[in-house]
Amino acid sequence: EAQVTQNPRYLITVTGKKLTVTCSQNMNHEYMSWYRQDPGLGLRQIYYSMNVEVTDKGDVPEGYKVSRKEKRNFPLILESPSPNQTSLYFCASSFGWMGETQYFGPGTRLLVL
Amino acid sequence: AQSVAQPEDQVKVAEGNPLTVKCTYSVSGNPYLFWYVQYPNRGLQFLLKYITGDNLVKGSYGFEAEFNKSQTSFHLKKPSALVSDSALYFCAVRDSGAGSYQLTFGKGTKLSVIP
Repeated sequence: EAQVTQNPRYLITVTGKKLTVTCSQNMNHEYMSWYRQDPGLGLRQIYYSMNVEVTDKGDVPEGYKVSRKEKRNFPLILESPSPNQTSLYFCASSFGWMGETQYFGPGTRLLVL
Repeated sequence: AQSVAQPEDQVKVAEGNPLTVKCTYSVSGNPYLFWYVQYPNRGLQFLLKYITGDNLVKGSYGFEAEFNKSQTSFHLKKPSALVSDSALYFCAVRDSGAGSYQLTFGKGTKLSVIP
């Protein structure tokens, strides 16, 4: 089954404790992206990747890191989480970055205490 | 810079009535426009998109949207609403101009279909 998977689905952590949210797709997509969803703000793009080893900042990259060492994986790293990073995070992928449809993962709900 | 606006936080419509969810956009080049839907506790699902060609785009679950370049709008419509259409709807835009790799989403419109 074609899908985007994220782990973990739910995470409670404390301020400053490094964490990684994994994202994997099995559709051989070149473009991958991370978004955060907050009430009243919609979805905002954190980082995106056009291909392996090619990444760039989105609209809200502060406090986040990403890497794209393999085509299928695009982990999101929070090196020192803070409470303002409490949010619902979505990973997405698509064949390209122009008119292609993005496929979304199920989301990761993060609470930083 | 590209942007998209969904002017209504919430839309309520009676079951069986037509529904419209509004979206306007701003880009420097030509737009690629998308509608996604999010059901409670779920990820986003693709509904339809406009890339080029016919201004009226038909998508999943009986939804359609009309691209209007002069009004920079891409409103989502359905002739007869179902209770199961109740969800959060997002409009998104990408500028087709060179160097634009981002997809920008609106803040979302909560659609409630009343039985």
